[in-house]
Amino acid sequence: SAVISQKPSRDICQRGTSLTIQCQVDSQVTMMFWYRQQPGQSLTLIATANQGSEATYESGFVIDKFPISRPNLTFSTLTVSNMSPEDSSIYLCSVDGGSGEKLFFGSGTQLSVL
Amino acid sequence: DQQVKQNSPSLSVQEGRISILNCDYTNSMFDYFLWYKKYPAEGPTFLISISSIKDKNEDGRFTVFLNKSAKHLSLHIVPSQPGDSAVYFCAANEGSQGNLIFGKGTKLSVKP
Repeated sequence: SAVISQKPSRDICQRGTSLTIQCQVDSQVTMMFWYRQQPGQSLTLIATANQGSEATYESGFVIDKFPISRPNLTFSTLTVSNMSPEDSSIYLCSVDGGSGEKLFFGSGTQLSVL
Repeated sequence: DQQVKQNSPSLSVQEGRISILNCDYTNSMFDYFLWYKKYPAEGPTFLISISSIKDKNEDGRFTVFLNKSAKHLSLHIVPSQPGDSAVYFCAANEGSQGNLIFGKGTKLSVKP
């Protein structure tokens, strides 16, 4: 299993500002994933972050809105840019368990945008 | 259109009884199914999984059943304990690494 530290755990932000969420893993992993869970909704994959290359974004998510960094094999950041109340969600970092099927998740970042 | 559906947003069960959480899917290409449990202010934790080549997988008090023809799976918890109270997510993928499709979750409350 992997131990994933994610911070901040929660934040309240003003409309138009940006927030950067950090994710630290206790072991080297090839791929890291960023998910969003809007209130009452399922977890939705935002993008896959690979070390040394551009992140791969899912349909409906763009780099300008959710820039991602992956400077090494244990760390990644997700920025939520130019926030609006619709961005109020839980954002989750995850890594695969090595089998390619099972994911381990960080504790999440509860974001509220006023 | 949701590919993984959990139609019951909540379920309440008495301690010691069986909890049955249901999940339906629409994509016949899904070949791996997982259940995650989530406590408040924590990330989801993996609970149990099943491959499409099986129809049952058991791990202690937790059993997952898969009915491919009906595109339906269920998670059985026997006996249910108050510590099982959490939100349970069903997820599926079609072999793409990490690209899990999640349901909206079912909140299970186990009453003492």
